Amino acid sequence: NAGVTQTPKFQVLKTGQSMTLQCAQDMNHEYMSWYRQDPGMGLRLIHYSVGAGITDQGEVPNGYNVSRSTTEDFPLRLLSAAPSQTSVYFCASRDRGTDTQYFGPGTRLTVL
Amino acid sequence: SQQGEEDPQALSIQEGENATMNCSYKTSINNLQWYRQNSGRGLVHLILIRSNEREKHSGRLRVTLDTSKKSSSLLITASRAADTASYFCATDEDSGYALNFGKGTSLLVTP
Repeated sequence: NAGVTQTPKFQVLKTGQSMTLQCAQDMNHEYMSWYRQDPGMGLRLIHYSVGAGITDQGEVPNGYNVSRSTTEDFPLRLLSAAPSQTSVYFCASRDRGTDTQYFGPGTRLTVL
Repeated sequence: SQQGEEDPQALSIQEGENATMNCSYKTSINNLQWYRQNSGRGLVHLILIRSNEREKHSGRLRVTLDTSKKSSSLLITASRAADTASYFCATDEDSGYALNFGKGTSLLVTP
């Protein structure tokens, strides 16, 4: 099993550009989430999904969109990048049986 | 909003010593989890304790949970340099599908 994979690992955008951060898991987990991590802060929840076709907002959803067309994939879209979105983004999937969350390696995004 | 709050923010100890970090939270929970994050890497799950449990062990890790005080502690015994990392507690609320993380404790273990 590859676990949770994220692409790209690094990305630099200009203000106003859009992009999609990819996340995939091969553990057949229903629950998936996106977090952002800023210096001195913990992880803050952006969006989450409890299954294909079902998504909901977390603590800091503004400026981000998600969709969940398959169990495996949960992409995060930045519609119009802003410097405030400079952060490290983590995708996670959750095993409902054990409640354990598995994290991807992260995407380090810089918005100029 | 962030649920957990770790204490201390930073901890520096020598190899062989024990490291204790604490977590406080605000609302009722289903379980509380501890994660480790090495610099520049993703988070790794360490241990989960459910709301009806008071203590749990895993190798050199011991976690306690006091739901009346809404607090938890993580003890790492006989620390090694490889334990140097940030440690986060995360709470799983009654109605939640995703975890709420604290800001973390940065642990430095020196040889």
